[in-house]
Amino acid sequence: SAVISQKPSRDICQRGTSLTIQCQVDSQVTMMFWYRQQPGQSLTLIATANQGSEATYESGFVIDKFPISRPNLTFSTLTVSNMSPEDSSIYLCSVDGHGQGGYEQYFGPGTRLTVT
Amino acid sequence: AQSVTQLDSHVSVSEGTPVLLRCNYSSSYSPSLFWYVQHPNKGLQLLLKYTSAATLVKGINGFEAEFKKSETSFHLTKPSAHMSDAAEYFCVVSDYSGGGADGLTFGKGTHLIIQP
Repeated sequence: SAVISQKPSRDICQRGTSLTIQCQVDSQVTMMFWYRQQPGQSLTLIATANQGSEATYESGFVIDKFPISRPNLTFSTLTVSNMSPEDSSIYLCSVDGHGQGGYEQYFGPGTRLTVT
Repeated sequence: AQSVTQLDSHVSVSEGTPVLLRCNYSSSYSPSLFWYVQHPNKGLQLLLKYTSAATLVKGINGFEAEFKKSETSFHLTKPSAHMSDAAEYFCVVSDYSGGGADGLTFGKGTHLIIQP
């Protein structure tokens, strides 16, 4: 399994500003994923980040709004740019791996963002 | 493309009675299927997973699920509910085939309520 930490754990930001969320894994992984969980909703995949290449964004998410960096095999950042109250969500990173019984994804604890 | 439908947004059972959370999936490939649990203000925890091995999968905390390809279902069950089982449950599908990973597709979630 992988242990994932995220910083910050929570933040309150003003509209129009940007926040960068960090995701650190305790082992080298090929792929990292960023998800958003809006209040009372399920998780939605924002993008997939491979080390050394541009992130791949899902429909409805764009690089200008959610730029992602992946400088090495254990770290990634997600920036939420020009924030509005609609960006208030929990942002989670995950990594893929092979636990007992096959493929699975491991999730970080999440970053709870409130935009005022 | 993959999708997952959780048939109940809320399920309420009495403590000590059986739990059934229903999930149907759609996948272009041989899917991997997961159930995750999210307790209030807590991170995601993997309950169990199906990755093309045994169709009856046992997970943590007494939960199990059965993969039924003919019915495209992966329902989660537990023989006897405990108060600590009250949480949000997500059925999740992945088209990961071993040759590359995709992000997970989450169902909308089922809120499990345990009545004393």
